Amino acid sequence: DIQMTQSPSTLSASVGDRVTITCRASQNINRGLAWYQKSPGKAPKLLIYEASDLEDGVSSRFSASGSGTEFTLTIRSLQPDDFTTYYCQHYNEDRPQMFGQGTKVEIK
Amino acid sequence: EQLLQSGGGVVQPGKSLRLSCVTSTYNINLYGFHWVRQAPGRGLEWVATRSDNGMNEYYADSVKGRFTMSKDIFKSMIYLQMNSLRPEDTGVYYCARDSGRQILLNYLDVWGQGSLVTVSS
Repeated sequence: DIQMTQSPSTLSASVGDRVTITCRASQNINRGLAWYQKSPGKAPKLLIYEASDLEDGVSSRFSASGSGTEFTLTIRSLQPDDFTTYYCQHYNEDRPQMFGQGTKVEIK
Repeated sequence: EQLLQSGGGVVQPGKSLRLSCVTSTYNINLYGFHWVRQAPGRGLEWVATRSDNGMNEYYADSVKGRFTMSKDIFKSMIYLQMNSLRPEDTGVYYCARDSGRQILLNYLDVWGQGSLVTVSS
């Protein structure tokens, strides 16, 4: 199985900051990567698919890039609702695959 | 809610439970659906996938042979039948719609509110 490793596990930032989360795949996954935001008590929310495509209705403060084995999610001008946990997930033509372990963005 | 879940609860190890996910918004004949879970204090884990036409079903190794997805077209309902439950199956289970219409794209754009399943004696 392809392993997904996110870094950092926890990230401390302030409102208005720009932050970047990295997701690395143990093998080439081309652009089969999605990013989700997960807040406590809420369902996950799709932010990005195909490595860099912004889901409809998601703020343009979120952007992502990458292909192959290394991917990044960038959030600019952090807002209070952005302080939560983010997951990358690999998928292929068959089914969703492994999620990364998550990155918690906390208030500094 | 566009996907409304029901059926969670407390169950003893070895017993069964069925989760339901109903939608009045989407034609479940046109979309694949997935189940994803989150154990307490842990990350997200993909559990199962069923394509729109039911020709393709996939299960995580941890649930294969014990969990089964199905759907009732007339009730617009998607189910996750969970048998031989184990304590490690405890968590919040989410049903989610595949982003693709009549094709599995395998990223999930609409989610239910979650159902808590607790497996404990």
